[in-house]
Amino acid sequence: GNSVTQMEGPVTLSEEAFLTINCTYTATGYPSLFWYVQYPGEGLQLLLKATKADDKGSNKGFEATYRKETTSFHLEKGSVQVSDSAVYFCALRASNTGKLIFGQGTTLQVKP
Amino acid sequence: DGGITQSPKYLFRKEGQNVTLSCEQNLNHDAMYWYRQDPGQGLRLIYYSQIVNDFQKGDIAEGYSVSREKKESFPLTVTSAQKNPTAFYLCASSTGTDNYGYTFGSGTRLTVV
Repeated sequence: GNSVTQMEGPVTLSEEAFLTINCTYTATGYPSLFWYVQYPGEGLQLLLKATKADDKGSNKGFEATYRKETTSFHLEKGSVQVSDSAVYFCALRASNTGKLIFGQGTTLQVKP
Repeated sequence: DGGITQSPKYLFRKEGQNVTLSCEQNLNHDAMYWYRQDPGQGLRLIYYSQIVNDFQKGDIAEGYSVSREKKESFPLTVTSAQKNPTAFYLCASSTGTDNYGYTFGSGTRLTVV
């Protein structure tokens, strides 16, 4: 079946540190891949997406590359800020069901 | 601006009472979804609807009910049969296209006392 696995959190970093949040997936066919961000008490916002192998999604300094050979979609940012503190969800949308499958979420805490 | 609106943001109910959470979208999306989120947890799918007058159970449908009489609206009723209803509820909508993700509402926090 379709599934998404994220690294467990919380991830605690100092401001300006490099961020990587790992995400791997299992899917039938060729899914689209997404990263969502959730700030405290709010809904999820789409951060970036990639729809085919080797695509790179990017937004607000965050990047993720769709790696079919390793079935991964790791989220990276070169220099995090305190305002990046949030929960990050990796997700796939499978072509056979159309449903969005989420990972468990990774909490990021950035300290000044 | 198009978007998806959930109301109210906070809701308090006594144990044993049914309560209905509102979700409205003006994005002209065909599909709508309800998720439950517990503290420190991921999202669990309650119900979804891919077209008006049709809906399917998700992974944790017991104790919940929905209707989809209009394209724009997908209300969720939390019934007294739901054993642990206190949670954060998120509504989402989407087109039928794989390349697009979901658009989420800002959520309703339900507390049952």
